[in-house]
Amino acid sequence: SAVISQKPSRDICQRGTSLTIQCQVDSQVTMMFWYRQQPGQSLTLIATANQGSEATYESGFVIDKFPISRPNLTFSTLTVSNMSPEDSSIYLCSVERAGWDTEAFFGQGTRLTVV
Amino acid sequence: QQQVKQSPQSLIVQKGGISIINCAYENTAFDYFPWYQQFPGKGPALLIAIRPDVSEKKEGRFTISFNKSAKQFSLHIMDSQPGDSATYFCAASQSFGNEKLTFGTGTRLTIIP
Repeated sequence: SAVISQKPSRDICQRGTSLTIQCQVDSQVTMMFWYRQQPGQSLTLIATANQGSEATYESGFVIDKFPISRPNLTFSTLTVSNMSPEDSSIYLCSVERAGWDTEAFFGQGTRLTVV
Repeated sequence: QQQVKQSPQSLIVQKGGISIINCAYENTAFDYFPWYQQFPGKGPALLIAIRPDVSEKKEGRFTISFNKSAKQFSLHIMDSQPGDSATYFCAASQSFGNEKLTFGTGTRLTIIP
């Protein structure tokens, strides 16, 4: 298993500002994933963060809006830039034990409200 | 297609009843089907999972039924309890290939006394 610590757990931000979310894993992992979960919605993958290379973004998400850092094998950050109320959501960090039975482990999430 | 369709969006069940959540997938390359449970303020956590070589898997009060020909699978919660009130997500992935999980849209389950 993996224990993921994510912070902040929640924040209220002014539109036009940026927020950086931190994700710490208790073991070394190759890939870390960032998801967005809008109210009452499913989990939408934003990007995959690999250590030592650029993050891979899913369709509809761009680096300028969601820059990601991955300085080592246990830590990653996601920044939500130039926020608007539409960015209000829960952001989740995840790691996966890939292979025969892929199991995803999630942080507790960051509940972001943009006003 | 990578979609996983989940229904219903919300479900209210009386305590002691059976809760049933359904999912359907399109990609026949999927070969691993987990269910995740999410409580408010928490991240999702793996509940139970199945592979298509079996039609049913049971763990305690939780059962997954799998219909490979119909490309459907469902979660059954027997003797539902108020503590089961949570959001449930089905998911699918392809082993040793594109292993990223594709999640369903979620079902908010409420168990009433």
